[in-house]
Amino acid sequence: EVQLVQSGAEIKKPGESLKISCKGSGYSFASYWIAWVRQVPGKGLEWMGIIYPDDSEARYSPSFQGQVTISADKSISTAYLQWSSLKASDSAMYFCARPDTSGWYPFDYWGQGTLVTVSS
Amino acid sequence: QSVLTQPPSASGTPGQRVTISCSGSSSNIGGNNVNWYHQVPGTAPKLLIYYRDRRPSGVPDRFSGSKSGTSASLGISGLQSEDEGDYYCAAWDDSLNGYVFGTGTKVTVL
Repeated sequence: EVQLVQSGAEIKKPGESLKISCKGSGYSFASYWIAWVRQVPGKGLEWMGIIYPDDSEARYSPSFQGQVTISADKSISTAYLQWSSLKASDSAMYFCARPDTSGWYPFDYWGQGTLVTVSS
Repeated sequence: QSVLTQPPSASGTPGQRVTISCSGSSSNIGGNNVNWYHQVPGTAPKLLIYYRDRRPSGVPDRFSGSKSGTSASLGISGLQSEDEGDYYCAAWDDSLNGYVFGTGTKVTVL
């Protein structure tokens, strides 16, 4: 069974750094793209970017390019989403998601979400 | 602001049919497949429709998708209480070089 399990909720202050994770199991982790999707509370879904764990090739939405870093460690079947300096506007639920096929989308499998709260 | 526009809400009584529209442009819906997701608040989205009108295993045939030009629609027939939640269309956008979601439609079963 394909599973994506994300790290737990985080409460951070503005300016702090953060790295959240998404661990895949039940499939060949390196062979499928993993995407990150943001959802601000009460708002819609936003595609942030995607990574291919086998070679760590990453693509970013223009809206998130330079704001976050997407990475992966295939040896431990884990993808990451990282901020170097958080802002209050980064407060949101973040989902990782995986397509069923070798393409970039659509997303058949989703993590449970990681809630990030940034507040002074 | 999303490039795919959906009505903010839709509703129906049990057993009725509800249709949700999704309006885009030639760079997204017009040239690429449309996907639809259902999200119950507090949970992760679930894929309902892909490749415009195909359903993943386990999705009932009450859900159907269609596309015409730069617009797409999701139909829900035989509306049930478990169909409540938010529905999002999505497609690849060649101009933005990214995957875009619609603004979302909240479906209420009266």
